[in-house]
Amino acid sequence: NAGVTQTPKFQVLKTGQSMTLQCAQDMNHEYMSWYRQDPGMGLRLIHYSVGAGITDQGEVPNGYNVSRSTTEDFPLRLLSAAPSQTSVYFCASSYSYFPTDTQYFGPGTRLTVL
Amino acid sequence: AQTVTQSQPEMSVQEAETVTLSCTYDTSESDYYLFWYKQPPSRQMILVIRQEAYKQQNATENRFSVNFQKAAKSFSLKISDSQLGDAAMYFCAYAQGAQKLVFGQGTRLTINP
Repeated sequence: NAGVTQTPKFQVLKTGQSMTLQCAQDMNHEYMSWYRQDPGMGLRLIHYSVGAGITDQGEVPNGYNVSRSTTEDFPLRLLSAAPSQTSVYFCASSYSYFPTDTQYFGPGTRLTVL
Repeated sequence: AQTVTQSQPEMSVQEAETVTLSCTYDTSESDYYLFWYKQPPSRQMILVIRQEAYKQQNATENRFSVNFQKAAKSFSLKISDSQLGDAAMYFCAYAQGAQKLVFGQGTRLTINP
């Protein structure tokens, strides 16, 4: 059981480039989400999904796209990277969207946009 | 919008002693959930403890316990018999109805041997 995996661990982009952060889980969890963590701040929700084919916006969705074609995978796409998107990105999953289910977080991806 | 505030950016405690981390939150809802997450240097967020607002009894998990004061909108974390492995950033978080967590700014806990 690998849990929640994220690739890459580190990434440097130039302004305007696009890329996809990968997230996968092998626990058959229905709920998956993406957060970003900026220095000195807590995590903020970008997008989430309650199941395959269903996604919705969180607190800070601008500049990011998501899709959920399978239960296992929930990629986060940066359309045109900006320095303001420099952050650490965390993917998380849980059995359902009910807060009584434990959310498991991945190890994070540190993204720098120059 | 709900907000979560942790007023202690840093705390330190001697090994084997007890430390309390503070958290306050703002909500107009009556049914919600509160969490404490630990983020060690490895960065991976780990759930420490969860409290359901409709439950009056404070949650406990081994050496970790909470003091939940619903009227005061306060949710503190007590760590007893502190161990070196407890050193980490601790985040308080809120959720209402779904897993959409709202996090505080975090408290960095240092354990002195």
